[in-house]
Amino acid sequence: QVQLVQSGAEVKKPGASVKVSCKASGYTFTGYYMHWVRQAPGQGLEWMGWINPNSGGTNYAQKFQGWVTMTRDTSISTAYMELSRLRSDDTAVYYCAREFRQYGMDVWGQGTTVTVSS
Amino acid sequence: EIVLTQSPGTLSLSPGERATLSCRASQSVSSSYLAWYQQKPGQAPRLLIYGASSRATGIPDRFSGSGSGTDFTLTISRLEPEDFAVYYCQQYGSSRYTFGQGTKLEIK
Repeated sequence: QVQLVQSGAEVKKPGASVKVSCKASGYTFTGYYMHWVRQAPGQGLEWMGWINPNSGGTNYAQKFQGWVTMTRDTSISTAYMELSRLRSDDTAVYYCAREFRQYGMDVWGQGTTVTVSS
Repeated sequence: EIVLTQSPGTLSLSPGERATLSCRASQSVSSSYLAWYQQKPGQAPRLLIYGASSRATGIPDRFSGSGSGTDFTLTISRLEPEDFAVYYCQQYGSSRYTFGQGTKLEIK
């Protein structure tokens, strides 16, 4: 079945970086954009950006430019999101989600909790 | 950046009632690029509606979307117990995606 499986929870210190993975299965990885969306505790959804797994091209939300890096490894159908210079307000659940041609994010990963604390 | 404002913030209704959720954009949004999601506690969001009015695969027909321009609506015709959750609208425009702040649908 179609699924996205994300890496496990992370605890990081302020100023560190975190890299979250998202492994796709059950569909053609290069046929769908992969988005990253985060959700701080008790808050709403915040779009971070997408990567085109076919070309490697990226599109980041303005807030995250220079701060987030999205990559992929097509040989293992896995997308990655790396966030640097972490602060306490980066504590959130990070989701990956696929999309085909602006038809909505129809499959989501289970989420990865990233906690930033000294 | 297009800002989406959802109302009400919280909606208290009983099972069997009709729910109407609003999403207003700060500037015109292409209907092709307006989606709705449902999120339950501890779960990832679930796509309900894309293209303003098309139901995603497996979504019951009690969910419907409508609207154009700057005003969009999600309607749940007869609430089931499993429908009580938080709902988000989302748009794509000018190469950017944004989400509304969410409407919490709670049992009255």
